[in-house]
Amino acid sequence: EAGVAQSPRYKIIEKRQSVAFWCNPISGHATLYWYQQILGQGPKLLIQFQNNGVVDDSQLPKDRFSAERLKGVDSTLKIQPAKLEDSAVYLCASNLNGETEAFFGQGTRLTVV
Amino acid sequence: GENVEQHPSTLSVQEGDSAVIKCTYSDSASNYFPWYKQELGKGPQLIIDIRSNVGEKKDQRIAVTLNKTAKHFSLHITETQPEDSAVYFCAAAITGGGNKLTFGTGTQLKVEL
Repeated sequence: EAGVAQSPRYKIIEKRQSVAFWCNPISGHATLYWYQQILGQGPKLLIQFQNNGVVDDSQLPKDRFSAERLKGVDSTLKIQPAKLEDSAVYLCASNLNGETEAFFGQGTRLTVV
Repeated sequence: GENVEQHPSTLSVQEGDSAVIKCTYSDSASNYFPWYKQELGKGPQLIIDIRSNVGEKKDQRIAVTLNKTAKHFSLHITETQPEDSAVYFCAAAITGGGNKLTFGTGTQLKVEL
């Protein structure tokens, strides 16, 4: 069974630039999450999707972050404009229906300079 | 919201010894407590989880205990091996609430030969 796929693995951008991350969850998983993991900390939830609908985006800084899952499968997370404090690993996770164990991708390491 | 505290932040043991990591949570509604292992450059991987209707769960060298009254849970690794070296995260969530994970701050476990 293929795992959660994320790309790119690494990204370096200058502050005020924009960046996008892509996630392909495990086939058949209806629920998709994006987490932000700052160096030395645990992952922090940014947004949760159930199919193509947003369940919880209360922790998403909506002035600069946006996410979509248009067809209920792949998802993209965008930051525009980026700030230095956005430097982190962005992890995507999925599970069957929001009630079972979550599987994580390898993450995208973003460095904002 | 939920707050999860994790101790210690670093743990060094000799190969073959046991390792114990402890977490406390604040929200009495939390009923799902997974533990994740994260190796360098990889996403978190679930190693064991426990639900609030169970006090203890064991899987080979790994065990987790839960004390709902005190709101704390612990990870026990016996007969540690060098490949156990990694960062371990505890987390808490409410099943029925989308399984949105609140993570602890992580424990860097080093198993020395």
